[in-house]
Amino acid sequence: EVQLVESGGGLVQPGGSLRLSCSASGFIFTSFTMHWVRQAPGKGLEYVSSISVGGRSTNYAHSVEGRFTISRDNAKNSLYLQMTSLRTEDTAIYHCVKSLSTVTSPFDSWGQGTLVTVSS
Amino acid sequence: EIVLTQSPGTLSLSPGERATLSCRASQSLGSNYLAWYQQRPGQAPRLLIYGASSRATGVPDRFTGSGLGTDFTLSISRLDPEDFAMYYCHQYGSAPRTFGQGTKLEMK
Repeated sequence: EVQLVESGGGLVQPGGSLRLSCSASGFIFTSFTMHWVRQAPGKGLEYVSSISVGGRSTNYAHSVEGRFTISRDNAKNSLYLQMTSLRTEDTAIYHCVKSLSTVTSPFDSWGQGTLVTVSS
Repeated sequence: EIVLTQSPGTLSLSPGERATLSCRASQSLGSNYLAWYQQRPGQAPRLLIYGASSRATGVPDRFTGSGLGTDFTLSISRLDPEDFAMYYCHQYGSAPRTFGQGTKLEMK
């Protein structure tokens, strides 16, 4: 069974930084592109970032490009999101998400998420 | 980036009725890389349809995806009470990936 467990969320002031982690199990982590997707309270889904299996290729939503950095440690079956220069509009639940297959594919399995609150 | 526009924003129907949800893309989606998700309150999204028309594992056949290019549809025949939820379309063929703003399917 696929399991994705996020951690690292919390309350941070505007302009601050936070690092999210995701521990993956139940599948061959090194075979799948991984992603972060967020959802602000009461709002819709928003794509954040993706990283290829080897970590060399990354993509970001325009709203976070230059402030967030996605990375992965395949030896530890872990995914990360380093967030800097945080804004109040970054407040959301951040989900770690697995691709459906090893080629271009939609999101498949989702973690329950970790809440990031940006507020003074 | 590709903008996805879903309509209607809210759809009020009764169990047993048929629902038709629309998703329009600001530019043509190559290889029909369009997916649909269902999200119930307090739960993570669930993949329903990918490749515009392929059902994900375990999805009932009352869910049907169709369309190509810029216009896509999710149809739900014979609505079950558990089908009342939020629905999002998502394009995954062009970076950055994007979601539609969602359609709320509510019980009349």
